[in-house]
Amino acid sequence: GAVVSQHPSWVICKSGTSVKIECRSLDFQATTMFWYRQFPKQSLMLMATSNEGSKATYEQGVEKDKFLINHASLTLSTLTVTSAHPEDSSFYICSALNYGYTFGSGTRLTVV
Amino acid sequence: QKEVEQNSGPLSVPEGAIASLNCTYSDRVSQSFFWYRQYSGKSPELIMSIYSNGDKEDGRFTAQLNKASQYVSLLIRDSQPSDSATYLCAVNSGNTGKLIFGQGTTLQVKP
Repeated sequence: GAVVSQHPSWVICKSGTSVKIECRSLDFQATTMFWYRQFPKQSLMLMATSNEGSKATYEQGVEKDKFLINHASLTLSTLTVTSAHPEDSSFYICSALNYGYTFGSGTRLTVV
Repeated sequence: QKEVEQNSGPLSVPEGAIASLNCTYSDRVSQSFFWYRQYSGKSPELIMSIYSNGDKEDGRFTAQLNKASQYVSLLIRDSQPSDSATYLCAVNSGNTGKLIFGQGTTLQVKP
């Protein structure tokens, strides 16, 4: 079946630094990738939708200059958290739209 | 009003009982409805999808959809302790392909 590989699975970074999260579709082409954020004991909140070759569409309240999304190829989408702060600590999950929704395994980001 | 609403629970049922999870949604043009199970610290895993009114059964799971009432539910028969998890209802938002999640219901199955 369809697989989305998400890396890293966890990362700890210092406040003010940037972190890049990658999602790769391994056996299909992902024209559309969704990025979610999940805080403890809360649900998945959609951050943005990325389409290959075009600019990402961000949900209301999500800072596009802070959460940079690149979807330059049909198999790779990246989310970069720039100038990370402790409040950005969360679980980030990507989901590729193919014939269904295929989720990555998630990235636990801790900003110290 | 939230786009997708669930009772956060926890819902506690004894082993072997039927667990009933409910979800309502606000977008009438939604066409696809999903139930996911999520364990702590893990990515959600798909249990059921349903697209038309009525019931859809898969093993111990039955999804029910009522578009007129904008309501979707999940029944888990013969609940097992391993079913203890958070169950997320998700709705495809119109023509955008976006998948919008409810806040999730925590299910506890007690041995």
